[in-house]
Amino acid sequence: SQQGEEDPQALSIQEGENATMNCSYKTSINNLQWYRQNSGRGLVHLILIRSNEREKHSGRLRVTLDTSKKSSSLLITASRAADTASYFCATKPTGGFKTIFGAGTRLFVKA
Amino acid sequence: GAGVSQSPSNKVTEKGKDVELRCDPISGHTALYWYRQSLGQGLEFLIYFQGNSAPDKSGLPSDRFSAERTGGSVSTLTIQRTQQEDSAVYLCASSSDGPSYNEQFFGPGTRLTVL
Repeated sequence: SQQGEEDPQALSIQEGENATMNCSYKTSINNLQWYRQNSGRGLVHLILIRSNEREKHSGRLRVTLDTSKKSSSLLITASRAADTASYFCATKPTGGFKTIFGAGTRLFVKA
Repeated sequence: GAGVSQSPSNKVTEKGKDVELRCDPISGHTALYWYRQSLGQGLEFLIYFQGNSAPDKSGLPSDRFSAERTGGSVSTLTIQRTQQEDSAVYLCASSSDGPSYNEQFFGPGTRLTVL
C-alpha cells in the first residue's frame, strides 16, 4: 500500500478561501515533500519539511509535520483559480533512498 | 539540459507490441526514478537507479517491464508484449545525490495508449 495517504481525495473551494490537505504515512521518515501536478503531467516540487521540523512556510504555502501522529498538512492561503491542480505528499523513509508518493488530493478553485 | 526530458510525449501502440520510453535526466543527477500514473490516480513507483548501484526494481509490475540506464545518464524503460492495462502516463524524475534531501525533478511524461 502507499506510504502516504492524502485526504480529502478531492476538494472544491471558492477563490480567496484557504485550502487544507492532509497526508498520513506509516513508517519513520527523513523528510516529507509536497508536489503539485497540473493536467496529469510532470510534478513540480513545492516544499520539503525535514523530520526535525514542525512547520515551514513558502509564500502562500504552510506545511506542518507531526511525526508522533505520522501526519502532515498543506495549507494554501488565499487560493486562486491557478492553484487548481492535484497535490501529492511524498515521503522518504528513514534509511531508504526511495521516495514514495500518495494518491493525491485534487483541488479545484472556483473563480 | 535545463530539465528532465522524455520521449516520445505520446505513444499509441497495438496490444502485443514492444515499446521503449526514453528519459534524459538533469546533467549530474545520480538518482533516476520511473513512475507510472493511471488516469486520475497517484504515482506508482516502478524502478530506481542510484549511481552505479544495482537498481531497485521492486516496483516493476511484471517481467514484461525492464529498464536500463546507460553511462549513468539516459534511461530507457522497455515494455514487452504490451497489454491494454499498461496504458498510462509514464513519468521519469531525477535528483541529486544525498540521502537527506532529494527533491525530484520530473519530466513531462510519456502518455502510452495500448489499443
